[in-house]
Amino acid sequence: AQTVTQSQPEMSVQEAETVTLSCTYDTSESDYYLFWYKQPPSRQMILVIRQEAYKQQNATENRFSVNFQKAAKSFSLKISDSQLGDAAMYFCAYRSIGAGNQFYFGTGTSLTVIP
Amino acid sequence: ETGVTQTPRHLVMGMTNKKSLKCEQHLGHNAMYWYKQSAKKPLELMFVYNFKEQTENNSVPSRFSPECPNSSHLFLHLHTLQPEDSALYLCASSQSGGPTGELFFGEGSRLTVL
Repeated sequence: AQTVTQSQPEMSVQEAETVTLSCTYDTSESDYYLFWYKQPPSRQMILVIRQEAYKQQNATENRFSVNFQKAAKSFSLKISDSQLGDAAMYFCAYRSIGAGNQFYFGTGTSLTVIP
Repeated sequence: ETGVTQTPRHLVMGMTNKKSLKCEQHLGHNAMYWYKQSAKKPLELMFVYNFKEQTENNSVPSRFSPECPNSSHLFLHLHTLQPEDSALYLCASSQSGGPTGELFFGEGSRLTVL
């Protein structure tokens, strides 16, 4: 089975600054999806950003961008101009394409935004 | 209502009780999932249903019994649970074979087993 590793249990960032959350994964597949999900305290987990492995261009969504390094199996999330509302647990996730509907999640990174 | 809805949001039960968690999705998706979320651990996939058929059972103890009567509804029946089963149970849905491939989550049911 694929594994997803988030090596930073906790991170903090000053408001308006930039922070990068790390994620690595292990797979023998060549095509797959990668995701970052955000889970605010006591609230619903929502999708932040998605990357298809066949696309070389890094995905961006407003202040959120990824650094996808396929050969290194690395998928980090960069949050620019951090806001108080960005405080949450962030989960990295992997999904195979075609092989059922299995998603694999990391253990999460708790992000604190300091005013 | 839109998205994925889970009820109840909070549940406290004794080890001998029988209760059920309910999930409903209004997104027209054909796959539904139960995940268990415990502190400091990755999300644990419990069950997957595709087109109402169970396609994944991740070695979940029989005290958890899923039911998927149609592609919009998913239940998790609970009986004779243990204190270590206390966790946040998340329901999710996705469109199998869809272009975006993402999961849509409910808000979760916080279960406490006494």
